[in-house]
Amino acid sequence: DTAVSQTPKYLVTQMGNDKSIKCEQNLGHDTMYWYKQDSKKFLKIMFSYNNKELIINETVPNRFSPKSPDKAHLNLHINSLELGDSAVYFCASSRGLAGGNEQFFGPGTRLTVL
Amino acid sequence: QQQVKQSPQSLIVQKGGISIINCAYENTAFDYFPWYQQFPGKGPALLIAIRPDVSEKKEGRFTISFNKSAKQFSLHIMDSQPGDSATYFCAASRNNFNKFYFGSGTKLNVKP
Repeated sequence: DTAVSQTPKYLVTQMGNDKSIKCEQNLGHDTMYWYKQDSKKFLKIMFSYNNKELIINETVPNRFSPKSPDKAHLNLHINSLELGDSAVYFCASSRGLAGGNEQFFGPGTRLTVL
Repeated sequence: QQQVKQSPQSLIVQKGGISIINCAYENTAFDYFPWYQQFPGKGPALLIAIRPDVSEKKEGRFTISFNKSAKQFSLHIMDSQPGDSATYFCAASRNNFNKFYFGSGTKLNVKP
């Protein structure tokens, strides 16, 4: 059973399009995250939700909009895609927001903007 | 400004050798320091973690050494194996907030 799953695994699209990435966790966790991993492998937090409430909102263009319909799901919608959005996006989850909680990562979604 | 600095960027070690990856941080409020391992095409996975109340933690061939006064911590992989070839990330977070600050990653290649 996959603990944190993401769809799609690969996404190739044209500049200017709008796309969504979906994430689901079956671990019963309260907290979910979106990370961006650039071509140099640097992992940077974008957003975090705790019990469907937005907790972390880093300096991310407002073209990126997360949405958490319930505790088990955190989706990422990206409007007006740009070349610089090409990256691997990882969803993660943890039991809670307190420090020291292991974060479990999904397999990633490789987004390529042409 | 990067909160956690990691070195080296890449590392080549012979099978059976010791791999050492170093990280440094500035924020003294950090009190949880995990190491994550990432294989190509996969998400990062927790390898081992330490809190600053101990100076060393060992799990199998993997050891974290922690120097609180120097604000540094390192990962040692003993008897490195080709299957250890992966990218390793150190991270840090505060006790009251599970926001991870990741290092820039070290790509380890263990040659047979």
